[in-house]
Amino acid sequence: NAGVTQTPKFQVLKTGQSMTLQCAQDMNHNSMYWYRQDPGMGLRLIYYSASEGTTDKGEVPNGYNVSRLNKREFSLRLESAAPSQTSVYFCASSYLDEQFFGPGTRLTVL
Amino acid sequence: QKEVEQNSGPLSVPEGAIASLNCTYSDRVSQSFFWYRQYSGKSPELIMSIYSNGDKEDGRFTAQLNKASQYVSLLIRDSQPSDSATYLCAVNRDSNYQLIWGAGTKLIIKP
Repeated sequence: NAGVTQTPKFQVLKTGQSMTLQCAQDMNHNSMYWYRQDPGMGLRLIYYSASEGTTDKGEVPNGYNVSRLNKREFSLRLESAAPSQTSVYFCASSYLDEQFFGPGTRLTVL
Repeated sequence: QKEVEQNSGPLSVPEGAIASLNCTYSDRVSQSFFWYRQYSGKSPELIMSIYSNGDKEDGRFTAQLNKASQYVSLLIRDSQPSDSATYLCAVNRDSNYQLIWGAGTKLIIKP
């Protein structure tokens, strides 16, 4: 069991570029989440998906889009990256309310 | 007022002592409570969950919940240098399984 996997681990973008962060889980969980973590601010929810085929906005959705491709995969897209999106991004999945995290993507936008 | 509050620390504890980490929350209807450990540069790792008032023990870790006072705490007995990390408190207040997160307490265990 790999648990929750994320790609890439590191990424540097220029302002205005786009990219997609990939997340996959092999635990057969229904719910999946995307968070960003900034120093001193804890984890902030960007989007979540309670089940395959559904997505909902979290606390900080502006500038992001998501796709729940199937039960296993949940991707996060930055259409036009901004320096304010420099952060560490974590994907998580859950059975009920216990969430399990992927290793994270460290994104820098110049 | 933040929904979930933790002292940011750092909390410095001698090796072998008990480390006590506290978390308060604002919404009385919160139902489930979690402690996550996050090492520097790593992802959060679930270490304890607690759902009812009282204590829950797992090895060297004890979670304590007091819903009347709206706080949850984590005790780490016989603290080890490997316990040095940031500890995140998370609370689930509704049925859609979204968690509300504290900003974390940095714990340093001094050998």
